[in-house]
Amino acid sequence: EAQVTQNPRYLITVTGKKLTVTCSQNMNHEYMSWYRQDPGLGLRQIYYSMNVEVTDKGDVPEGYKVSRKEKRNFPLILESPSPNQTSLYFCASRSPAGGLNIQYFGAGTRLSVL
Amino acid sequence: DQQVKQNSPSLSVQEGRISILNCDYTNSMFDYFLWYKKYPAEGPTFLISISSIKDKNEDGRFTVFLNKSAKHLSLHIVPSQPGDSAVYFCAASGSGGSNYKLTFGKGTLLTVNP
Repeated sequence: EAQVTQNPRYLITVTGKKLTVTCSQNMNHEYMSWYRQDPGLGLRQIYYSMNVEVTDKGDVPEGYKVSRKEKRNFPLILESPSPNQTSLYFCASRSPAGGLNIQYFGAGTRLSVL
Repeated sequence: DQQVKQNSPSLSVQEGRISILNCDYTNSMFDYFLWYKKYPAEGPTFLISISSIKDKNEDGRFTVFLNKSAKHLSLHIVPSQPGDSAVYFCAASGSGGSNYKLTFGKGTLLTVNP
């Protein structure tokens, strides 16, 4: 089954404790992206990756890092989480270049930073 | 600067009636538009899309209309069913190098009452 898998689904942590949210896709997609969803703000892009070892900032990158060492994985790293990073996070991957720009989303990770 | 706007945070309709969700955009470089549906505790799922060269695209009960001159699109659901109750996000992308980035609206919560 084609899917985007995020882990963990739920996470409660404390300020300053480094964490990683993993994302994996099995569709051989080149493009992957991270979003956060906040009430009244919709989905905002954090970082994206056009391919292995190619990453770039989205609209709200402050406080986040990413890496793309393999095509299927695109982890989101919070080196020193703060309460304003409490949010619902989604990873997505895009259908191949030249095709329709349809992004497929994971089920989400709800993060609470205390 | 919000480039994709969904001005109605919520919409309530009766089962069997038509649901009309609206979306406005400001960036004239957008040429591909999508609607995503999101249930609680799940990631957004692709629903329907439209290219700027068309003014209508239909898929079963779902039809998207695009008015380029007004920079406005709408999603019509006929007939509405209780299972359609979800948050609907409008999204847009450009062409060429900007084709990969999706810009989302804030979403509209649709409630279909039995």
